[in-house]
Amino acid sequence: ETGVTQTPRHLVMGMTNKKSLKCEQHLGHNAMYWYKQSAKKPLELMFVYSLEERVENNSVPSRFSPECPNSSHLFLHLHTLQPEDSALYLCASSQNSVGEQYFGPGTRLTVT
Amino acid sequence: AQSVTQLGSHVSVSEGALVLLRCNYSSSVPPYLFWYVQYPNQGLQLLLKYTSAATLVKGINGFEAEFKKSETSFHLTKPSAHMSDAAEYFCAVSANTGGFKTIFGAGTRLFVKA
Repeated sequence: ETGVTQTPRHLVMGMTNKKSLKCEQHLGHNAMYWYKQSAKKPLELMFVYSLEERVENNSVPSRFSPECPNSSHLFLHLHTLQPEDSALYLCASSQNSVGEQYFGPGTRLTVT
Repeated sequence: AQSVTQLGSHVSVSEGALVLLRCNYSSSVPPYLFWYVQYPNQGLQLLLKYTSAATLVKGINGFEAEFKKSETSFHLTKPSAHMSDAAEYFCAVSANTGGFKTIFGAGTRLFVKA
């Protein structure tokens, strides 16, 4: 148990669906992250929030929309995804910008 | 800017043998260095971290890593591999440059043979 939970653990969606991924951290951290992990590719940083303010946005397509309502919760809203968006989506949190990150178990997303 | 290179996408060892996973980094300022492990269908878990204190860092599960500034390396070792060590290992670097970018290596998959 790392103190970071993600739901759902698995998600299958069609290209026209809208769904959301949820992440919650119980560690009192100030920063939260979304990563995409695809087979045979390095971990890709998507978004970073610090104290509920977005501080990094790495050229992610607009079909991915993050939301951070408070320092404990992070959402990733998905709409009109493409098959190449199928991947493991990992949420993480950290106390500051340089410290270790604590990861959730991930959501395995399949886009059909 | 920081970067990290993990040498070898796959490493295979026999049970009981030495584990050595290689990581080289680049950073224009003093780095923070990390090793993470990922088991199938799970997130990444911190194994150990270097934050400018002792150069030899001990982590969980019997792993350790040594920071060598002259070689810009932070290799991960374990004296005796166990079957349960089979997983993917990631080296990562961050630094006090004002951003929130921890750079992760591409990962090394460790296989342990019985």
